[in-house]
Amino acid sequence: GQQVMQIPQYQHVQEGEDFTTYCNSSTTLSNIQWYKQRPGGHPVFLIQLVKSGEVKKQKRLTFQFGEAKKNSSLHITATQTTDVGTYFCLMKTSYDKVIFGPGTSLSVIP
Amino acid sequence: DAGVTQSPTHLIKTRGQQVTLRCSPKSGHDTVSWYQQALGQGPQFIFQYYEEEERQRGNFPDRFSGHQFPNYSSELNVNALLLGDSALYLCASSPRGVGSPLHFGNGTRLTVT
Repeated sequence: GQQVMQIPQYQHVQEGEDFTTYCNSSTTLSNIQWYKQRPGGHPVFLIQLVKSGEVKKQKRLTFQFGEAKKNSSLHITATQTTDVGTYFCLMKTSYDKVIFGPGTSLSVIP
Repeated sequence: DAGVTQSPTHLIKTRGQQVTLRCSPKSGHDTVSWYQQALGQGPQFIFQYYEEEERQRGNFPDRFSGHQFPNYSSELNVNALLLGDSALYLCASSPRGVGSPLHFGNGTRLTVT
């Protein structure tokens, strides 16, 4: 079946450093979504990518969808303590089933 | 405009018992999906409901069942609880349509002893 990998599993950065998480699918995707879950909270929608090679920015966050639509990345520039949390990618199979990536947990050291 | 609401927030049950969790979707949303999130892991898709029918199902046994009501609210039922069912159960709602973002509730923390 369809598999999704997300790396790294954990990332500890000094405040002000950059951070990137990668999401890789075993199959071509129609779209991909990114969510953030703060400790003790619930996932919150960040962005959706649809087109091959698409790049979207939200302030310090940059999202990319690979040319082959099998991978995606989330890059945070100059991390802040408010960026702490777990970042998940979400993909839907051709049968509309939802698969979350295992997530990347980000810690920011002030 | 109320978001997704779930009840109860916490629940403690004994092995073998049955549990019902409830979810009210965000106003304007007609699709509800349920997820199980074990500690330190990503949410696992259980099933999705719209038009009062189960439309998609993840890799969960038949002990997990659900229902959607005409007002789009939903219930998740788990029978014959196992210790491994201890997790955060998340409900998400969305409008119908490919790629609609999910709006999550705060979840129900289920502990099975």
